[in-house]
Amino acid sequence: EIVMTQSPATLSVSPGERATLSCTASQSVSSKLAWYQQKPGQAPRLLIYDASTRATGIPDRFSGSGSGTEFTLAISSLQSEDIAVYYCQQDNKRPPITFGQGTRLEIK
Amino acid sequence: QVQLVESGGDVVQPGRSLRLSCAASGFTFSTHGMHWVRQAPGKGLEWVAVIGSDERTQYYADSVMGRFTLFRDNSKNTVDLQMNSLRTEDSAVYYCARELSWGNWYFDLWGRGTLVSVSS
Repeated sequence: EIVMTQSPATLSVSPGERATLSCTASQSVSSKLAWYQQKPGQAPRLLIYDASTRATGIPDRFSGSGSGTEFTLAISSLQSEDIAVYYCQQDNKRPPITFGQGTRLEIK
Repeated sequence: QVQLVESGGDVVQPGRSLRLSCAASGFTFSTHGMHWVRQAPGKGLEWVAVIGSDERTQYYADSVMGRFTLFRDNSKNTVDLQMNSLRTEDSAVYYCARELSWGNWYFDLWGRGTLVSVSS
């Protein structure tokens, strides 16, 4: 089973600033990686898949990069509605697919 | 309206059974693999199981193998999760989720979830 590790656990960013979230896989997942956003009391929402492809309707301030074992989700200009927990998920070696433990994004 | 709606969550004692249901609407259900993902209170996401569009392909997480079974009815646009021999560690919100496209286990549509609480 591939273990996904996210850092930091909590990230505080000022409005309008750039947020950078990291995800590391225990072995290569090629580019088979997704990012999800989950707001309190809601289901997760797909943001990015195949490491860098934005899902339908996702604003272009969200971008994904990386391949192999190291991945990054960047939010170019943080807005209040971006406050959420973000999860990465690998889809290279499955079953099972595996998720990271999440990064909580807060407003500074 | 494109949506998934889960139902069936309840409070049950350890060792008992429960059946969850997911009703799909607004899209061609028969062409998508369907998954269940769970989230224990205050915890992260855990993949549970998948059933392919053809019903024959099924995979389960080790933690539920032999206890949980998926059923799919493409004529009714539903997918059910039969959960037997429930344990306290099965307590979670259970989400039904749709595969983005064939061969990709990314999830572009989620239900709102249904809560299962296993407690004596």
